[in-house]
Amino acid sequence: DQQVKQNSPSLSVQEGRISILNCDYTNSMFDYFLWYKKYPAEGPTFLISISSIKDKNEDGRFTVFLNKSAKHLSLHIVPSQPGDSAVYFCAASTGANSKLTFGKGITLSVRP
Amino acid sequence: NAGVMQNPRHLVRRRGQEARLRCSPMKGHSHVYWYRQLPEEGLKFMVYLQKENIIDESGMPKERFSAEFPKEGPSILRIQQVVRGDSAAYFCASSHGVSYNEQFFGPGTRLTVL
Repeated sequence: DQQVKQNSPSLSVQEGRISILNCDYTNSMFDYFLWYKKYPAEGPTFLISISSIKDKNEDGRFTVFLNKSAKHLSLHIVPSQPGDSAVYFCAASTGANSKLTFGKGITLSVRP
Repeated sequence: NAGVMQNPRHLVRRRGQEARLRCSPMKGHSHVYWYRQLPEEGLKFMVYLQKENIIDESGMPKERFSAEFPKEGPSILRIQQVVRGDSAAYFCASSHGVSYNEQFFGPGTRLTVL
């Protein structure tokens, strides 16, 4: 059973515009959420995280929004740059120092 | 570079051989996690270790797979009698273990079983 779902396999946006990547989860015990970016043949790189006690966290061009009632989070990238083209994984955990449960990822393409 | 180190980066084994994957965590990190990524899939948790202890092995196949994180040296993921279905990218991550914290990933080992 897929507890973390990234239903759109790909997204294409114009450089300079906003990229919105969505993620849904089913396990109400998840209390910490993370986004990772991954290039081919490399390991995932941590981008941004959010605790369930918050509904928004911002770091530079990246903002993560959490809607606990809808069990939904999203990653906003503004403005999008060609170097942002990669696979983005949403991940969730329950409690401190616990395993991460990943979605299948979404491939973002930013067109120049 | 004080990041998570994994070696080898690429490993080719024939069916029935053993595969040993190594992971050195980031400096100051004492928590190590192993994940596996099959083609077109997300990363799947395998095992979580601290020095000399296995904390959570709920994602580890019951047979042929084992993991350790000795007091000295890297963490080792061992796969005995490999089969073609073991072909995947294996990623190690580490964290410093203080409250909620991010896991930082190594570059992965790509295992190919012929």
